[in-house]
Amino acid sequence: DTAVSQTPKYLVTQMGNDKSIKCEQNLGHDTMYWYKQDSKKFLKIMFSYNNKELIINETVPNRFSPKSPDKAHLNLHINSLELGDSAVYFCASSQFSGSPYEQYFGPGTRLTVT
Amino acid sequence: QKEVEQDPGPLSVPEGAIVSLNCTYSNSAFQYFMWYRQYSRKGPELLMYTYSSGNKEDGRFTAQVDKSSKYISLFIRDSQPSDSATYLCAMSREVSGGGADGLTFGKGTHLIIQP
Repeated sequence: DTAVSQTPKYLVTQMGNDKSIKCEQNLGHDTMYWYKQDSKKFLKIMFSYNNKELIINETVPNRFSPKSPDKAHLNLHINSLELGDSAVYFCASSQFSGSPYEQYFGPGTRLTVT
Repeated sequence: QKEVEQDPGPLSVPEGAIVSLNCTYSNSAFQYFMWYRQYSRKGPELLMYTYSSGNKEDGRFTAQVDKSSKYISLFIRDSQPSDSATYLCAMSREVSGGGADGLTFGKGTHLIIQP
């Protein structure tokens, strides 16, 4: 069984479009994250949700809006896509109490903006 | 100065060698230290997780943390070609009231184990 899954795996779209990436985890964790890995392979935190509430919001353009319908799902919606948004986006999850720092990552969504 | 520094490599060693991977960091608030392995076009996979200073061993892997020097290491014994991947160090602060802070990653070291 896949622990953290993301859809789609690949996303190619044009500048100005709006797109969404979905994430689901079946680990029973209550905290989920979005990370961005740029072309130089540098991974950086974007957002974190705990029990559907936003707890981390790094300096990210407000064109990016995360939404958590329940603690097993965290989606990322991106408006007015720009060339610089091209990257791999990873979802991760952890447990708030116990080992919140043990984060488990999904396979990534490779976004290409043309 | 970046918060976490990691030599990107590539680091190429023969099969069976002991591999040493390292990171330095500048933020003394970091308390949790992780090592992730990432294969090409895959998500990072958690290998080791250490709190504060000390050593931790898991099979062929040993993680060391020296907070006084702000230096962490990962050792891989009896390296195998299947260990060829990018190894990322990651760190996090203790958050008051518990809870999860985002991880701060190094840029990763590309490791190649030659058969």
